[in-house]
Amino acid sequence: DADVTQTPRNRITKTGKRIMLECSQTKGHDRMYWYRQDPGLGLRLIYYSFDVKDINKGEISDGYSVSRQAQAKFSLSLESAIPNQTALYFCATSDPTGSSDEQYFGPGTRLTVT
Amino acid sequence: AQSVAQPEDQVNVAEGNPLTVKCTYSVSGNPYLFWYVQYPNRGLQFLLKYITGDNLVKGSYGFEAEFNKSQTSFHLKKPSALVSDSALYFCAVREVDRGRGSTLGRLYFGRGTQLTVWP
Repeated sequence: DADVTQTPRNRITKTGKRIMLECSQTKGHDRMYWYRQDPGLGLRLIYYSFDVKDINKGEISDGYSVSRQAQAKFSLSLESAIPNQTALYFCATSDPTGSSDEQYFGPGTRLTVT
Repeated sequence: AQSVAQPEDQVNVAEGNPLTVKCTYSVSGNPYLFWYVQYPNRGLQFLLKYITGDNLVKGSYGFEAEFNKSQTSFHLKKPSALVSDSALYFCAVREVDRGRGSTLGRLYFGRGTQLTVWP
């Protein structure tokens, strides 16, 4: 969905490096989310933000931090990357004023930590 | 606690045959239920949702899903599968949102079911 973009799309980094994944959206949604996808595990929530001043930990937030710079931007940081953070990362947005708050996903960032 | 189970990691069907991808859920309140599809190297795309009303929900690409409250299930169906339907399918559930700051607005995803439709 071109309304939600993620950069970079692919990244290889070394253990111990700091890395930032960025997400931007043009949908005007207040809510934004970061998930990671691992084979056989589905999607797991890392962090979510209901607006610029409201950031919450998800089920697997250890080793990650986030920044909500504006309504349209939500960044995920790995302060010191480790190999088990190798995964596919997705950003998503949703609009709570809608009838069901369905989520719209970006194309994903494939991160490899060596 | 909310949870979703997709009991089949893989579903294989022949083109033209009907397909079913199973999903069961657990939630303490009334559920909102969703199906998403992921094509290779793409993000998840919304297929359909159940909020309330008719138990049979119609969505994109000819898919439909049947909500069964007594069996806590929300199986995805299509009468005639296409090779292009081959993808990874995710079921998700959340409770009705209780407002700003509530964790109940979060989605909980199943592990995914890989659908393969062969010619």
